Amino acid sequence: DTGVSQNPRHKITKRGQNVTFRCDPISEHNRLYWYRQTLGQGPEFLTYFQNEAQLEKSRLLSDRFSAERPKGSFSTLEIQRTEQGDSAMYLCASSLVGENTEAFFGQGTRLTVV
Amino acid sequence: SQKIEQNSEALNIQEGKTATLTCNYTNYSPAYLQWYRQDPGRGPVFLLLIRENEKEKRKERLKVTFDTTLKQSLFHITASQPADSATYLCAPPLGYGQNFVFGPGTRLSVLP
Repeated sequence: DTGVSQNPRHKITKRGQNVTFRCDPISEHNRLYWYRQTLGQGPEFLTYFQNEAQLEKSRLLSDRFSAERPKGSFSTLEIQRTEQGDSAMYLCASSLVGENTEAFFGQGTRLTVV
Repeated sequence: SQKIEQNSEALNIQEGKTATLTCNYTNYSPAYLQWYRQDPGRGPVFLLLIRENEKEKRKERLKVTFDTTLKQSLFHITASQPADSATYLCAPPLGYGQNFVFGPGTRLSVLP
């Protein structure tokens, strides 16, 4: 296993279009996280899964955003009716369950809404 | 509300000096705290974890302290090198499932 993989690396879309990103975590990791990061800011938590259950969602996650992890393995993050303010780096991370465990991040998907 | 702050957006130091970065948190008491490094265009990479019952943790040229009374963690890089230039993020656990929440980061530049 080579780590957390995210696809695509870059996405340019027109305002109003829907986009979907994919994250493949480290295979034995139960937890999977999505973050959004804009220039000069730290990653902002969006949501996380433990196995296939979505356990927490940030208030940042409007109803245009939806995330799934159908079989407890890979996850998708969909943004509907994209807005220019959605332009950001979307980061996925995975970890084992339990305290004192580190998160492993993917390279991110950079979204540009024009 | 719970808050994480890092001392400055950017820190410039001369090669060979010790860099000290600060992470302050308010309105909660994390059981541990992590530090990550992030290079431009890449995801964060884990560096160190320190637990509340540990005053200090070291790894090569890195040292982290955790003062639960002051609600502060300090991150030190000794004998700094230009390759240490990056953004450093502190991340105490927060939330229902103890998910990872990140501070705003401090961008360190080590000048040759």
